[in-house]
Amino acid sequence: DGGITQSPKYLFRKEGQNVTLSCEQNLNHDAMYWYRQDPGQGLRLIYYSQIVNDFQKGDIAEGYSVSREKKESFPLTVTSAQKNPTAFYLCASSIDPGGQTQYFGPGTRLLVL
Amino acid sequence: KNEVEQSPQNLTAQEGEFITINCSYSVGISALHWLQQHPGGGIVSLFMLSSGKKKHGRLIATINIQEKHSSLHITASHPRDSAVYICAVNNMEYGNKLVFGAGTILRVKS
Repeated sequence: DGGITQSPKYLFRKEGQNVTLSCEQNLNHDAMYWYRQDPGQGLRLIYYSQIVNDFQKGDIAEGYSVSREKKESFPLTVTSAQKNPTAFYLCASSIDPGGQTQYFGPGTRLLVL
Repeated sequence: KNEVEQSPQNLTAQEGEFITINCSYSVGISALHWLQQHPGGGIVSLFMLSSGKKKHGRLIATINIQEKHSSLHITASHPRDSAVYICAVNNMEYGNKLVFGAGTILRVKS
């Protein structure tokens, strides 16, 4: 089955802790994206990568970091510098670098203890 | 002002009703998308439009480029249509990146 997987489905973070959210795709897409979703707001772009070993900041990159060492994988780390990390995080991928049509993963809900 | 505005924010309908969700945008776009997000959180694409009208089953999407407005219609609504419907546009002024509306929460009662 081709698609995007995200793990875990739920993640709990303690104060001062870094946590990493996984995103894997087997669609052979070059571009991958991380979004944050908060209640009553549209999805906001955190980071994106158009090609392996390259990534750019989105609109709300502060407190987050990413890597893109493999085409299939685009993990997102929520660092302790992110003061309000509780949200739903969605990963997406696109076959075109411009990201005109994106395929979304099932999401990870991050909660702070 | 948000670049993409949806209305209504919340909508409750009785099974069988005709439903309309509206989307207005304020930027130049190359395409507009309607997405569906179920309670589990995953998002699926319903339509991508750059002009005119598209139909898929009971769903119809229209776009008026001059008025910068799109509508999503659901005919003969059913409880399984209950979901969040999200409008998103490829913003030409932002490298065609997707910009999302806040979503419309639809609940269809039986």
